[in-house]
Amino acid sequence: AQSVTQPDIHITVSEGASLELRCNYSYGATPYLFWYVQSPGQGLQLLLKYFSGDTLVQGIKGFEAEFKRSQSSFNLRKPSVHWSDAAEYFCAVVLSASKIIFGSGTRLSIRP
Amino acid sequence: SQTIHQWPATLVQPVGSPLSLECTVEGTSNPNLYWYRQAAGRGLQLLFYSVGIGQISSEVPQNLSASRPQDRQFILSSKKLLLSDSGFYLCAWSVDRGRFYEQYFGPGTRLTVT
Repeated sequence: AQSVTQPDIHITVSEGASLELRCNYSYGATPYLFWYVQSPGQGLQLLLKYFSGDTLVQGIKGFEAEFKRSQSSFNLRKPSVHWSDAAEYFCAVVLSASKIIFGSGTRLSIRP
Repeated sequence: SQTIHQWPATLVQPVGSPLSLECTVEGTSNPNLYWYRQAAGRGLQLLFYSVGIGQISSEVPQNLSASRPQDRQFILSSKKLLLSDSGFYLCAWSVDRGRFYEQYFGPGTRLTVT
């Protein structure tokens, strides 16, 4: 069955440190993958997306993600986090117009 | 550019009362529309999906219903709310670009059933 796993429920990093949020998917075909960010009490904002081609994709706010087919992963990275990056991050795989599977999310806290 | 509105932003309702949440999209035509629920500390659960006026697909059996009276309007309703209906309700839209169904979300409605 198709699934998306975000193994880290909560991560705390220091401001200025690098960040990597993990995402693993289970899907037989080539996936279409997204990362969304949700600030407290807000809707979800699309950070970046992967459809095909270059496996390293750039997104907004300085984020990037790398698609690794051999590891079924689509990890989100940022070289230096800012306090404003504190939020919940969701990985998602799109199967069809009516079927998008979200991970359970990773809450990111920033240590001053 | 496209924008999506949801109202109300917050709502406190007693058990057994009716519910109506509204979502409207501007700047696009014939969008796919979605209602999600997000329980505290959990991911998103797709409730309803619509590809056009009057066309609603339900993903999860429950006491909620959805309607799409106009192309860019999507309404979530209930005749009698349950405590378990509390949560954060998100509306989203997408347009068909082959399989590139990236979804764009509204600001959400926080519903507390007391």
